[in-house]
Amino acid sequence: GDSVTQMEGPVTLSEEAFLTINCTYTATGYPSLFWYVQYPGEGLQLLLKATKADDKGSNKGFEATYRKETTSFHLEKGSVQVSDSAVYFCALSVDDYKLSFGAGTTVTVRA
Amino acid sequence: NAGVTQTPKFQVLKTGQSMTLQCAQDMNHNSMYWYRQDPGMGLRLIYYSASEGTTDKGEVPNGYNVSRLNKREFSLRLESAAPSQTSVYFCASSEASRGDTQYFGPGTRLTVL
Repeated sequence: GDSVTQMEGPVTLSEEAFLTINCTYTATGYPSLFWYVQYPGEGLQLLLKATKADDKGSNKGFEATYRKETTSFHLEKGSVQVSDSAVYFCALSVDDYKLSFGAGTTVTVRA
Repeated sequence: NAGVTQTPKFQVLKTGQSMTLQCAQDMNHNSMYWYRQDPGMGLRLIYYSASEGTTDKGEVPNGYNVSRLNKREFSLRLESAAPSQTSVYFCASSEASRGDTQYFGPGTRLTVL
């Protein structure tokens, strides 16, 4: 079935460090890909998305490029802040609107 | 706009008790969803409603029932709670197209003793 695998955490970084969270997917069709973020005590919110190959999603300094050849959608940010501390989820949807989520990666940024 | 609202925020039940989790959205979305979040497992879909009047099972439907009361409201019922249902429950809504963003509520933290 359709699934997402993302790097396990937790990840701890210093402020202004570079962040990468790896995400790969398995899908029978042509999925849309998403990154959601969950701040402490809150629900999930969309961070960015890409709906076709080679699309780049970006928001709040985060970027991810839909790579069909490597079935990947890695999340990157060049300089993290303490406020980026959260749990990050990679997700996909294929022929319908249901989402399949990865396990989540907890990121902690220290001042 | 309130977006997606859920009640209650916290609940403690004893094994065998029943309860209903309420969800409402004010974005005029067609589709609504119930997920559970467990440590290390991401979110798993329990039930969804593609449109008013329809409901379908997701990945982990056993032990749950749902009702799409109208376009705004989608409730999740536990008829006889079990400790394995201890989790954080999220409701979400979206338009009915592939690639559409899902908007999540703040969650309900349920503990079953």
